[in-house]
Amino acid sequence: RKEVEQDPGPFNVPEGATVAFNCTYSNSASQSFFWYRQDCRKEPKLLMSVYSSGNEDGRFTAQLNRASQYISLLIRDSKLSDSATYLCVVIGGTGGGNKLTFGTGTQLKVEL
Amino acid sequence: NAGVTQTPKFRVLKTGQSMTLLCAQDMNHEYMYWYRQDPGMGLRLIHYSVGEGTTAKGEVPDGYNVSRLKKQNFLLGLESAAPSQTSVYFCASSYPKAWNEQFFGPGTRLTVL
Repeated sequence: RKEVEQDPGPFNVPEGATVAFNCTYSNSASQSFFWYRQDCRKEPKLLMSVYSSGNEDGRFTAQLNRASQYISLLIRDSKLSDSATYLCVVIGGTGGGNKLTFGTGTQLKVEL
Repeated sequence: NAGVTQTPKFRVLKTGQSMTLLCAQDMNHEYMYWYRQDPGMGLRLIHYSVGEGTTAKGEVPDGYNVSRLKKQNFLLGLESAAPSQTSVYFCASSYPKAWNEQFFGPGTRLTVL
């Protein structure tokens, strides 16, 4: 089983739709969680951190479920500019407390 | 501020050739990283550095060497390139501790024939 797993997609949604992605992680001792965004042929950029209590940044909401070992990203009112690959990042997996593990990403395509 | 820059942006090598990828950051970050990104594999850590003069192995270090002679620069070397090293290479930097935001460079697309 991969340490961090994501559905690769693509998720094709119409503009204005709400879409959610999940990311599961295998190590229950994982400490910190993030979502990064990567545009086609560009570098990843931090989208948001994921806190135990959940957090919201405009149209984006991130949740952590430690019991089921997954994090989620909800995007409301999707825009064409949201089209990108969303990478889940988990810190503290197998091998050490500071190890970052990236998921393979979930591709989102927002269409007119 | 330029942030994190990488040189070159593209390169084609023949098997057995050597090359050095240069990463530079102007944010005074202590930590620097080299990743490779392959289809279906996600970003994988090659080597990293927690400060000037120090380096450490990541998840996939074989076939690569690194040096951090200056705080702002992190070099990745391929001594004898192999087709399996065809990939997109990203450099990143951050403040100390893994849970701080990593700032990535634009990437280097390397093809080894």
